[in-house]
Amino acid sequence: GQQLNQSPQSMFIQEGEDVSMNCTSSSIFNTWLWYKQDPGEGPVLLIALYKAGELTSNGRLTAQFGITRKDSFLNISASIPSDVGIYFCAGQTRSNFGNEKLTFGTGTRLTIIP
Amino acid sequence: DAGVIQSPRHEVTEMGQEVTLRCKPISGHNSLFWYRQTMMRGLELLIYFNNNVPIDDSGMPEDRFSAKMPNASFSTLKIQPSEPRDSAVYFCASSFVGWGDQPQHFGDGTRLSIL
Repeated sequence: GQQLNQSPQSMFIQEGEDVSMNCTSSSIFNTWLWYKQDPGEGPVLLIALYKAGELTSNGRLTAQFGITRKDSFLNISASIPSDVGIYFCAGQTRSNFGNEKLTFGTGTRLTIIP
Repeated sequence: DAGVIQSPRHEVTEMGQEVTLRCKPISGHNSLFWYRQTMMRGLELLIYFNNNVPIDDSGMPEDRFSAKMPNASFSTLKIQPSEPRDSAVYFCASSFVGWGDQPQHFGDGTRLSIL
């Protein structure tokens, strides 16, 4: 199936550093979502973006919906150990039936080096 | 609030056996989605329902896979007969589509191993 281009694939950082990751697509999306997945669990929604150009924060997390509607970025400030995990972007479209379909990025694996 | 509940959490079975995965969506949600996650292909949408009706099953890999949603609080994904290449983590997600759309919320998945 179709996937979004997400980068970087992996990041190795020290605690306290800032993190930045992004997603790009050849298609336009109506909504961008960012999820985090911990081992053995399902993806958990972090931030939802509904308007082109929108900048939204959730604690130490900040995400933006690209003005072209084809990209989004996620920043994490002052990383802490519990930030470790895999981060996925997801673009959402509307089908003819009004249901949202999600297309997921390939994921960014974040590791914090002691 | 109870989230999306999936069962079993783990399933190990032999090739050729029938496998049934179960999902209880969040109460009040009217859309339900089945995904499969593998290292090679990432998260793939298999099928989704709206108001218990299957809307798009284009992601279902082949006829061995089938999904049902007999009521608003229960769905199953069945594989018969199972094959080793079906080994993956299967996720169920639910959301509300309509006035005041809500994003999809995921269960913790079923890790399926076909020997």
